[in-house]
Amino acid sequence: NAGVTQTPKFQVLKTGQSMTLQCAQDMNHEYMSWYRQDPGMGLRLIHYSVGAGITDQGEVPNGYNVSRSTTEDFPLRLLSAAPSQTSVYFCASSLGVWGRGEKLFFGSGTQLSVL
Amino acid sequence: QKEVEQDPGPLSVPEGAIVSLNCTYSNSAFQYFMWYRQYSRKGPELLMYTYSSGNKEDGRFTAQVDKSSKYISLFIRDSQPSDSATYLCAMSASGQNFVFGPGTRLSVLP
Repeated sequence: NAGVTQTPKFQVLKTGQSMTLQCAQDMNHEYMSWYRQDPGMGLRLIHYSVGAGITDQGEVPNGYNVSRSTTEDFPLRLLSAAPSQTSVYFCASSLGVWGRGEKLFFGSGTQLSVL
Repeated sequence: QKEVEQDPGPLSVPEGAIVSLNCTYSNSAFQYFMWYRQYSRKGPELLMYTYSSGNKEDGRFTAQVDKSSKYISLFIRDSQPSDSATYLCAMSASGQNFVFGPGTRLSVLP
């Protein structure tokens, strides 16, 4: 049971380049989300999904795009990378039984540097 | 003002000490409270979960929620070097889309 798998672990981009961060879970979780973690800022929600075909914006969605075509996968796309997007990105999932404060399962993160 | 505040530390204590980690928040609608532990270069993992006010104990860990003061705490008894990590508080009004504090880095010295 792999849990939440993120790829790649490290990535360096040049300003203006685009890329996709991959996230897959094998726990049949309905809820999936992307966070970025910056020093002194904590984890901030970028986008989330409550099921296949349904996505919504979080606290800091600008410059990022998501789609959810299957229950298992939730890729995060950087459309035109900027230095302000240098961060550690975490994908997280939960069962999605609302009203019960579901436990989030996190991936191991992707460290992204934009030069 | 940030929605969730947390002393960033770092906090250094000797092995065996009692550790107190705290968060304050401004949104009175929060009713789900969690503590996550994050080791270096790893994703956070859930440590404690509390719904509404009160205390919850799990082994050496105790979580307290005081909604009237908008204040939550995590206590670690008999701290161990393996407890050295960053501790993140997280809270939500609906049970999803949690708001995280910036984290407190803890070092437990042998």
